[in-house]
Amino acid sequence: DIQMTQSPSSLSASVGDRVTITCRASQSIRGYLNWYQQKPGKAPNLLIYAASTLQSGVPSRFSGSGSGTDFTLTISSLQPEDFGTYYCQETYSSPRTFGQGTKVDVK
Amino acid sequence: QVHLQESGPGLVKPSETLSLTCTVSGGSVSHDRWSWIRQPPGKGPEYIGYIYYSGSTNYNPSLQSRLTISLDTSKNQFSLKLTSVTAADTAVYYCARETYSSGSYPCDFWGQGTLVTVSS
Repeated sequence: DIQMTQSPSSLSASVGDRVTITCRASQSIRGYLNWYQQKPGKAPNLLIYAASTLQSGVPSRFSGSGSGTDFTLTISSLQPEDFGTYYCQETYSSPRTFGQGTKVDVK
Repeated sequence: QVHLQESGPGLVKPSETLSLTCTVSGGSVSHDRWSWIRQPPGKGPEYIGYIYYSGSTNYNPSLQSRLTISLDTSKNQFSLKLTSVTAADTAVYYCARETYSSGSYPCDFWGQGTLVTVSS
């Protein structure tokens, strides 16, 4: 199985801060990488697919980049509603492995 | 807007079979891929597998020997059966739609999830 490693595992930032989360795959997954946000007690919500394409309805402060093994999710200006846990997921192979998550707190 | 709803027992005894159904509205299971994902308490999601509208399936190798995912187009539903369960199968189980997007298959619509506890 492909291993997906996210960093950091948690972070705390202030409203307006630029936040970056990274996801590294154990082998190349080309551009087959998705990002989700999950709030407590809710299902994950798709933010970014194919590494850099913004899902419809997702605010433009979210962006994704990367290819091969290294990927980044950036929140350009953190908002209070952006708290939650963020997961990357590869869809290059089977099973479609998720990262372990990055918990974001808004100060 | 596609809506998915999981249903099934919330408590299953060890060694028995976990059975869940996902009912789809606002979309058709005769298109796209339909997947199951689970999340143990306090942990990240684990991909279980998917069924394609044609009926072909793809399972997580770690679960393959115990897993069956099936489709009922007449009811617009798909189902999960996991046999010989243990406490390690305790999780919130989600159903989701995967749609082809830019070469990828992200899960763009999810059910609310249902907690299944394996305990005697």
